[in-house]
Amino acid sequence: DTAVSQTPKYLVTQMGNDKSIKCEQNLGHDTMYWYKQDSKKFLKIMFSYNNKELIINETVPNRFSPKSPDKAHLNLHINSLELGDSAVYFCASSQKGGKNIQYFGAGTRLSVL
Amino acid sequence: AQSVSQHNHHVILSEAASLELGCNYSYGGTVNLFWYVQYPGQHLQLLLKYFSGDPLVKGIKGFEAEFIKSKFSFNLRKPSVQWSDTAEYFCAVKVAGTGDTGKLIFGQGTTLQVKP
Repeated sequence: DTAVSQTPKYLVTQMGNDKSIKCEQNLGHDTMYWYKQDSKKFLKIMFSYNNKELIINETVPNRFSPKSPDKAHLNLHINSLELGDSAVYFCASSQKGGKNIQYFGAGTRLSVL
Repeated sequence: AQSVSQHNHHVILSEAASLELGCNYSYGGTVNLFWYVQYPGQHLQLLLKYFSGDPLVKGIKGFEAEFIKSKFSFNLRKPSVQWSDTAEYFCAVKVAGTGDTGKLIFGQGTTLQVKP
């Protein structure tokens, strides 16, 4: 009964391809996030959505497009994949408010060859 | 810009040893502070958090952390580690108050390896 689930767990693809990572939360939260963990293990926020509205967009290339069909889902679509996109991508969710705690998914390891 | 630094990148301890992982942040305003843990193959889990009040906070599994505002630090401690504490530990900071966007700023993480 996973609270924040991401699919797939692993994704191996060629440069130039387009791929999507899905995220779903069953916690009833209204805010969702995408973080990228680079090879040096730094986790950096990419986007956040609150009730399907974009709140944070951290200078991410426009090849990355988040899509939130409803507040329980925040998918990440990546166009024209590049070698530098190889990383672990984490989805998270929280309730809106000052003392919110973010709950994370298990991550998706993307390898671009 | 705000940043978080974790001084120990890789720590190796024997069981029953005491643990202290350093975390310092750079931001002059009010913050919320967190430690997350990631066990092998699992998702990030919250260990403990500080929002306000008593600067010594206790978390799950016997962990505690102390917020020292003057030092911009939030070090994680455990008096006696177990083999099952082997994991990746992340310190994170969130701007509180009117600047709060929900954005967590993470440190680089510390790999803790506990030898049985």
